[in-house]
Amino acid sequence: GAGVSQSPSNKVTEKGKDVELRCDPISGHTALYWYRQSLGQGLEFLIYFQGNSAPDKSGLPSDRFSAERTGGSVSTLTIQRTQQEDSAVYLCASSLAPGLAGGGDEQYFGPGTRLTVT
Amino acid sequence: TQLLEQSPQFLSIQEGENLTVYCNSSSVFSSLQWYRQEPGEGPVLLVTVVTGGEVKKLKRLTFQFGDARKDSSLHITAAQPGDTGLYLCAPRMDSSYKLIFGSGTRLLVRP
Repeated sequence: GAGVSQSPSNKVTEKGKDVELRCDPISGHTALYWYRQSLGQGLEFLIYFQGNSAPDKSGLPSDRFSAERTGGSVSTLTIQRTQQEDSAVYLCASSLAPGLAGGGDEQYFGPGTRLTVT
Repeated sequence: TQLLEQSPQFLSIQEGENLTVYCNSSSVFSSLQWYRQEPGEGPVLLVTVVTGGEVKKLKRLTFQFGDARKDSSLHITAAQPGDTGLYLCAPRMDSSYKLIFGSGTRLLVRP
């Protein structure tokens, strides 16, 4: 089946503009994660959605960042009033509900959106 | 705040050589995953280790979880150019769904 897809693959925006990044998870995966990866760095957790539960937003770096997941499937990460330090690759991942036996907690990643704020 | 350290940060070797990369912390983990990331792509899961002292083999890759579940290593035998990539360790605390990603080891295998 299809993997996790993200769009756009690249986004260049001017400082101060808002951007929306989209993630289509694997069908049937109830858990969805957003991460940020700065150049040469590891992944920084941003937000986690699991089914109908309240999302874990503890990783969002500021109130300029928000995310929603509609219908338990597609997710959108929104960054308002972008700053140059927001430049990074934004990765989305999905998984079956974590903690399931048989490797249900494997996270499948999309290719990412490379955001450049000029 | 727990400290997760991966070493070395960068490794450039000749095809056919062996190598080991490390993931260390002062915290105890319930499990640990290793991912490989190639340029322009998302990370891909290689293995999950759960039990202290556990050793798993995936072709030429050998993964070990420390007895105390605070560290892990990845050994590659006879490295090939296709092994080139960023190797990330991602431990999990308790039963949390959160993975903590290290900054990774960037491996370059020269033909």
